[in-house]
Amino acid sequence: GQQLNQSPQSMFIQEGEDVSMNCTSSSIFNTWLWYKQEPGEGPVLLIALYKAGELTSNGRLTAQFGITRKDSFLNISASIPSDVGIYFCAGRIPPNDYKLSFGAGTTVTVRA
Amino acid sequence: EPEVTQTPSHQVTQMGQEVILRCVPISNHLYFYWYRQILGQKVEFLVSFYNNEISEKSEIFDDQFSVERPDGSNFTLKIRSTKLEDSAMYFCASRAQGARSPLHFGNGTRLTVT
Repeated sequence: GQQLNQSPQSMFIQEGEDVSMNCTSSSIFNTWLWYKQEPGEGPVLLIALYKAGELTSNGRLTAQFGITRKDSFLNISASIPSDVGIYFCAGRIPPNDYKLSFGAGTTVTVRA
Repeated sequence: EPEVTQTPSHQVTQMGQEVILRCVPISNHLYFYWYRQILGQKVEFLVSFYNNEISEKSEIFDDQFSVERPDGSNFTLKIRSTKLEDSAMYFCASRAQGARSPLHFGNGTRLTVT
């Protein structure tokens, strides 16, 4: 599969802080997706991006599809305790039908 | 909200045994998938299934793996002769028609091969 580099690998956040993570790829994607996974559960889709340059928000989450189509970032504003979890980016290359390539994940933990 | 359900949540099996992981996709969905996640590693695509046949599979999905939609509601993944390295979390996913319809994942089956 395609190589996705996701960073940071982990982060400790203070409640109320803004958080940012990103993914880069050596390949061009036509879709970027951001998922969140909590313990014992499957990945849950947060934001889907379909066009280069697209900036999409979902509540306190904002994600952008990079102009080069090889990168994407996810921002979480004013973090709260329930933001803890593992965040994955995933990319899709046509014509592969949802043969997604996932990043290694960013583990977000709230600092007490 | 409808969801993808997977059973069992945890399966322990001995090396060389056959296992069947079961999934009930969301009822009006037409596209079905299996992904897996080895502990501490990335989620990896295994196979996609549409119209009663495999549409795509990864290099992981070798002859030991098979999928089936035995009736109108279930979607199964069979591993014929399990190996230690098959130990992983296996996620079923489904989606509706339409290129932008989101992929819904189940909560996974943790397979432990001893």
